[in-house]
Amino acid sequence: TQLLEQSPQFLSIQEGENLTVYCNSSSVFSSLQWYRQEPGEGPVLLVTVVTGGEVKKLKRLTFQFGDARKDSSLHITAAQPGDTGLYLCAGLDNTDKLIFGTGTRLQVFP
Amino acid sequence: KAGVTQTPRYLIKTRGQQVTLSCSPISGHRSVSWYQQTPGQGLQFLFEYFSETQRNKGNFPGRFSGRQFSNSRSEMNVSTLELGDSALYLCASSPGGTNTEAFFGQGTRLTVV
Repeated sequence: TQLLEQSPQFLSIQEGENLTVYCNSSSVFSSLQWYRQEPGEGPVLLVTVVTGGEVKKLKRLTFQFGDARKDSSLHITAAQPGDTGLYLCAGLDNTDKLIFGTGTRLQVFP
Repeated sequence: KAGVTQTPRYLIKTRGQQVTLSCSPISGHRSVSWYQQTPGQGLQFLFEYFSETQRNKGNFPGRFSGRQFSNSRSEMNVSTLELGDSALYLCASSPGGTNTEAFFGQGTRLTVV
């Protein structure tokens, strides 16, 4: 069974701080997606990375796909309360199934 | 474009009963996937339907089943409900083919008492 482990599991920070969330697996994925989920809602797609070593930026969010396509990271610069939510990585396996990570719950205090 | 619509939003059922959940994907999307989300297990894949055929299946018992109609709308059925089936059930639609980006509905919160 392919597993995507995310760390940390919980993160509680002050507005303005930087943070990094990690998504690790022993399996190779053809692509990796990051989602954010807010309470009472479904996950919302933030980005898809496809190429090993790829870096994508979305305003204050920077996503990186590992060279071997087994891991990924999400870095948030100058976090804001609006960034609060559950961050999920999801890898596309060799049967085209999306395997979701364990999740990182982020709380940003004003 | 309308998003993914799931009905009902909330449901309370008794152990042993069965339940049917509905999902209307984004217009033009042919793939519909279902997930179960619980605090302990996270988001777990149930199954995926593409053009009315089940294309992928997760590790859930046979009590969990689904189907997809010709208009791509999908239903999920759970029979003989157990307390452990209490969860948020999420449906995601994708265009299909090489585009696998998933767009989720708000989910159906099922509580089994």
